[in-house]
Amino acid sequence: GQQVMQIPQYQHVQEGEDFTTYCNSSTTLSNIQWYKQRPGGHPVFLIQLVKSGEVKKQKRLTFQFGEAKKNSSLHITATQTTDVGTYFCAGQPIAGGTSYGKLTFGQGTILTVHP
Amino acid sequence: EPEVTQTPSHQVTQMGQEVILRCVPISNHLYFYWYRQILGQKVEFLVSFYNNEISEKSEIFDDQFSVERPDGSNFTLKIRSTKLEDSAMYFCASSEWVRRGGYTFGSGTRLTVV
Repeated sequence: GQQVMQIPQYQHVQEGEDFTTYCNSSTTLSNIQWYKQRPGGHPVFLIQLVKSGEVKKQKRLTFQFGEAKKNSSLHITATQTTDVGTYFCAGQPIAGGTSYGKLTFGQGTILTVHP
Repeated sequence: EPEVTQTPSHQVTQMGQEVILRCVPISNHLYFYWYRQILGQKVEFLVSFYNNEISEKSEIFDDQFSVERPDGSNFTLKIRSTKLEDSAMYFCASSEWVRRGGYTFGSGTRLTVV
């Protein structure tokens, strides 16, 4: 079945440093989504990428979807303490086949930011 | 901002007992999901539900699990005979479309089986 791998598992940064997490799917995706989970919280939708090579920005966050639609990255510029949490990518398979479109999550990257 | 509401927030149950976890999805959403997250691990898909029937389920979702939409607003997950390994945070989610936009997750029910 579809697997989504995410690295690194942990990232500790000083406030103001940049942060990047990488996501790789074993199969070509219909789209990839990114979620943030604060400690003790629930996943909160950040963004969806659909097109091959797509790049989207949300303030200090930059999301990329690979040309082959199998990998993705999230880059945060100049981290702040409010960025603390676990960042998950989640891939959705191409329509058809046996999958109706379930979202498969990566293992997540736990980001800690030291002030 | 519309929310997905889950109750209870925490449930402690004895092994072998039945539990029902409840969810109220966002009212104009058509697709409903249950996910679970064992402490410190990734979010795992359990089941998706559309048009009053299961559209997809994972290997975890065996005969001990069932879902229901008993009325126009609630969406429930039942575990018939709980095991210790069922201890996890259970998240309900809903979405307006299956492939456009993201899921809105509820704040979860922490299930502890003792």
